[in-house]
Amino acid sequence: QLVESGGGLVKPGGSLRLSCAASGFAFSNYGMNWVRQAPGKGLEWVSFIGSSGSFIYYADSVKGRFTISRDNAKNSLFLQMSSLRAEDTAVYYCAANRNDGGNLEYWGQGTLVTVSS
Amino acid sequence: FKLTQPPSVSESPGKTLSISCTRNRGNIGSNYIHWYQQRPGSVPTAVIYEDDQRPSGVAGRFSGSIDTSSNSASLTISGLKTEDEADYYCLTFDNGQYVFGSGTRVSVL
Repeated sequence: QLVESGGGLVKPGGSLRLSCAASGFAFSNYGMNWVRQAPGKGLEWVSFIGSSGSFIYYADSVKGRFTISRDNAKNSLFLQMSSLRAEDTAVYYCAANRNDGGNLEYWGQGTLVTVSS
Repeated sequence: FKLTQPPSVSESPGKTLSISCTRNRGNIGSNYIHWYQQRPGSVPTAVIYEDDQRPSGVAGRFSGSIDTSSNSASLTISGLKTEDEADYYCLTFDNGQYVFGSGTRVSVL
């Protein structure tokens, strides 16, 4: 099970930190991702972190503004978002993959981030 | 690179439909393709992974394939049911990035 938290309303240029708590699977053996979905739009992959945290990737749309991290001791994933823009408004899902480039096997229910003045 | 899907497809109950996912640059076969179903208001769930594998619990009516000649992947749903109405997305991973397809809305009329 994956449970996201930390979403909310933030002004343009502001910051927000999302969290994702994992349970029921071997979190430290899984790569973790953030995927977002703007209202009425399709799915967009945001960021990936490898099982040990050694490999980190970002979509071009968030590079330099978002930072992904994880704490395997606490079975937790994080996304620090800064310099937020209106176009970052979306439901943010955390999702787990067992193998590199593999299926996003587990998904959270999502947390809504709204960037508006 | 991008993965392009038709915006919408529709078919009658009991029929078969296919959704394409075309890669504009690079080889479709170089990385696995996964397919997700997202019903309105729900979280995406996998219906096909690693090109043609069905997760446990997914009906045998769902199948996946790769066509290297057209550089595309396909999701086929046979024996359509009204419960299959949903948005469907393909997904692949290449050069450190996951890329989702543009999504296809399936209507079962």
